[in-house]
Amino acid sequence: DAGVTQSPTHLIKTRGQQVTLRCSPKSGHDTVSWYQQALGQGPQFIFQYYEEEERQRGNFPDRFSGHQFPNYSSELNVNALLLGDSALYLCASSASWSGPQHFGDGTRLSIL
Amino acid sequence: LAKTTQPISMDSYEGQEVNITCSHNNIATNDYITWYQQFPSQGPRFIIQGYKTKVTNEVASLFIPADRKSSTLSLPRVSLSDTAVYYCLVGAPHRYGGATNKLIFGTGTLLAVQP
Repeated sequence: DAGVTQSPTHLIKTRGQQVTLRCSPKSGHDTVSWYQQALGQGPQFIFQYYEEEERQRGNFPDRFSGHQFPNYSSELNVNALLLGDSALYLCASSASWSGPQHFGDGTRLSIL
Repeated sequence: LAKTTQPISMDSYEGQEVNITCSHNNIATNDYITWYQQFPSQGPRFIIQGYKTKVTNEVASLFIPADRKSSTLSLPRVSLSDTAVYYCLVGAPHRYGGATNKLIFGTGTLLAVQP
């Protein structure tokens, strides 16, 4: 039973570029949440997708957007990248009716 | 959402029992208490979740007093591989009408286990 998988594992971009990160939830899960984790900090909630709609959003600008597909997988898009966007981006999935969130190992995004 | 307070760091030795206490004075009636473990460059790993009294699984125990304003994660006989950051979170696991609530992480407790 595969857990939460994220791709790519590492990514290097330059300022102003755009990036797309991908997440496949754990089998049986229908809700996907995205978090940003800066070095030495706890993860910060970006947004959550359920039934292909954004249901909750944290304090992140509109440059951060996402999508959920009918198979429950999800993408995180970040436009106009800034140096401060360098972080570990984590995807977590859960079952809407029960259970805790389970995390993938993230995508390490570095902005030059 | 209720905030949590936990020690920034703790030290222990292999084979000892470690107890990490978390304060959550403003916990709401529907809130559960959840603990995660995180190693460097990995995602947080779910350890245990509880609502009241005591919960035990194969890796840890969670003790919650009657007033639920604090909780204690107990790790029996720690090893070097238990060196990690431990996060305590509180929140309702499920939103009305579906989906689950966002998790609010603090800075966690860095547990250092020495030989």
